[in-house]
Amino acid sequence: LAKTTQPISMDSYEGQEVNITCSHNNIATNDYITWYQQFPSQGPRFIIQGYKTKVTNEVASLFIPADRKSSTLSLPRVSLSDTAVYYCLVGERGGADGLTFGKGTHLIIQP
Amino acid sequence: EAQVTQNPRYLITVTGKKLTVTCSQNMNHEYMSWYRQDPGLGLRQIYYSMNVEVTDKGDVPEGYKVSRKEKRNFPLILESPSPNQTSLYFCASGYQPQHFGDGTRLSIL
Repeated sequence: LAKTTQPISMDSYEGQEVNITCSHNNIATNDYITWYQQFPSQGPRFIIQGYKTKVTNEVASLFIPADRKSSTLSLPRVSLSDTAVYYCLVGERGGADGLTFGKGTHLIIQP
Repeated sequence: EAQVTQNPRYLITVTGKKLTVTCSQNMNHEYMSWYRQDPGLGLRQIYYSMNVEVTDKGDVPEGYKVSRKEKRNFPLILESPSPNQTSLYFCASGYQPQHFGDGTRLSIL
């Protein structure tokens, strides 16, 4: 699995757009980029997954440049309830290897 | 509804008393795994299973056992629990993306 690097923490305010970037320099051809959100004492929740360019769903957008060595999770107009830890994982879909979550990015939204 | 169900949600027990945390999924996933989460250390994978009767160690397997006799079930076994296994445990099903259970908070006294 490709190693990922994310900021440890970020701060923002309600109503702002938040972008969290993940670096994955050794991403492999078959790897997908998957983002999860975790609230305290709850299991991580899948947010979005992509392979290249841009993916958007009702919760977030995921931007992946052509070289795929990084990705950016974009949360539009955040609210206090978006305060959580966000994890970026890179690996094959339907794979069978071990998975390493890392420490993620602790996003704190203030009023 | 797609679900990963863990039981129990909370357990307080004593050192050395064998315990099992059950995990069941209804999504027909081949891949299942167990994690523990401790403050400051993030999520760490304990064991994973690629299919029935196929398991492998994750990053922190010491002191744990698992079995995968059926596709839907993946129990975590602590044969002789110790206080350093006090933690929040999560079972997950599927692989990229994974679907997580609600967690089991385990306290070993």
